[in-house]
Amino acid sequence: QVQLVESGGGVVTPGGSLRLSCAASGFTFSDYYMNWIRQAPGKGLEWISYISDSGSPIQYAASVKGRFTISRDNADNSLYLQLNSLRAEDTAIYYCARDHSGSYPAFDLWGQGTTVTVSS
Amino acid sequence: SSELTQDPALSVALGQTVRITCQGDSLRYYYASWYQQKPGQAPVLVNYGKNSRPSGIPDRFSGSNSGITASLTITGAQAEDEADYYCSSRDNSGNHFPKFGGGTKLTVL
Repeated sequence: QVQLVESGGGVVTPGGSLRLSCAASGFTFSDYYMNWIRQAPGKGLEWISYISDSGSPIQYAASVKGRFTISRDNADNSLYLQLNSLRAEDTAIYYCARDHSGSYPAFDLWGQGTTVTVSS
Repeated sequence: SSELTQDPALSVALGQTVRITCQGDSLRYYYASWYQQKPGQAPVLVNYGKNSRPSGIPDRFSGSNSGITASLTITGAQAEDEADYYCSSRDNSGNHFPKFGGGTKLTVL
């Protein structure tokens, strides 16, 4: 079954850290760019990072650059997001999403999301 | 501007046709993709590129692009189409990062 399954979310105090994981199955993970996209409560979608199929290049949105780190393990079919120096505004559902491997940009497979709450 | 603008809310009568639009300068250079999100669920890709649908998406969902406007048209809206819809494209300011519109909440009456 083609799917992405996120884990690792939780409640953390401001300034704290968390590591999110995304387990891929049913497709050749190493063939695809992968992304992290988040959604704050009651808000829209915000792209925050992508990583190429090989692990480089990597890019981040300005809102998380310098605090979050994306990585992947192609041997383990896993994507990761290390969240450091967390702020209240980082509270959101975090989705991993696969890049469509074609001529047109799209996110063609999403996980169910994992919730991060930053609160004192 | 690097923004993608969507109407916050739209409604459509059951069985009628509705067009959801997305405006932004980057759409001159990049096709939009469209996502349906129902409450408590992850987004699902429903249309992308010139007018492509992933497997399993009904053909009542069609996409089009003209200038700075991309549109998702639902022809013969069904009750199960009630959802939030987001467009996405790339930033054309230099970094080409993905970005999303603010979303349109579609109500099927």
